Amino acid sequence: DGGITQSPKYLFRKEGQNVTLSCEQNLNHDAMYWYRQDPGQGLRLIYYSQIVNDFQKGDIAEGYSVSREKKESFPLTVTSAQKNPTAFYLCASSPDRESHEQYFGPGTRLTVT
Amino acid sequence: GENVEQHPSTLSVQEGDSAVIKCTYSDSASNYFPWYKQELGKRPQLIIDIRSNVGEKKDQRIAVTLNKTAKHFSLHITETQPEDSAVYFCAASIRGGGNKLTFGTGTQLKVEL
Repeated sequence: DGGITQSPKYLFRKEGQNVTLSCEQNLNHDAMYWYRQDPGQGLRLIYYSQIVNDFQKGDIAEGYSVSREKKESFPLTVTSAQKNPTAFYLCASSPDRESHEQYFGPGTRLTVT
Repeated sequence: GENVEQHPSTLSVQEGDSAVIKCTYSDSASNYFPWYKQELGKRPQLIIDIRSNVGEKKDQRIAVTLNKTAKHFSLHITETQPEDSAVYFCAASIRGGGNKLTFGTGTQLKVEL
């Protein structure tokens, strides 16, 4: 998991602004995932991508968008349409579509006021 | 979709005692069950996992058991130490479903001296 980076660690935005969270991995992993974590809840899947130029919605995709133009990068945009964007966002990667193991980045804590 | 329930939400044990955390899942197609440990403000770390063709797996002081018939799996930590204090999450992954993980809501384990 040391090969997955997320930046920045803390991010502050005003309501109504879009914000993009970075996720990069140098593990040559095919699959990448975005989760949201709220206090007292487990991780919930936002979007995932099993291969470059392809991605699918997870359980809570509304108000979010992603792109997968490069294998090593899977940025997440939190749009102004997301009603409760303040949360801890975690990116994960997995070696390929046959592997189940997911390894997490350090996370970005987003605060929107 | 898959639903994972986790109990208890908090668990306090004395150092040296054993701790058991239990999870149930709803979809019999699930075939991969990982456990993650998350320290405060840090990323979840994969500590052990089990696949549906195995009933039990051990790694030093931790073990996981799986009962496919009852659709539940458990994490067992023996000889607990203060550094075991953290939040533990179980998860389940459905075969062929993009290897998406559905997480439980977490168990806050506190190991007291």
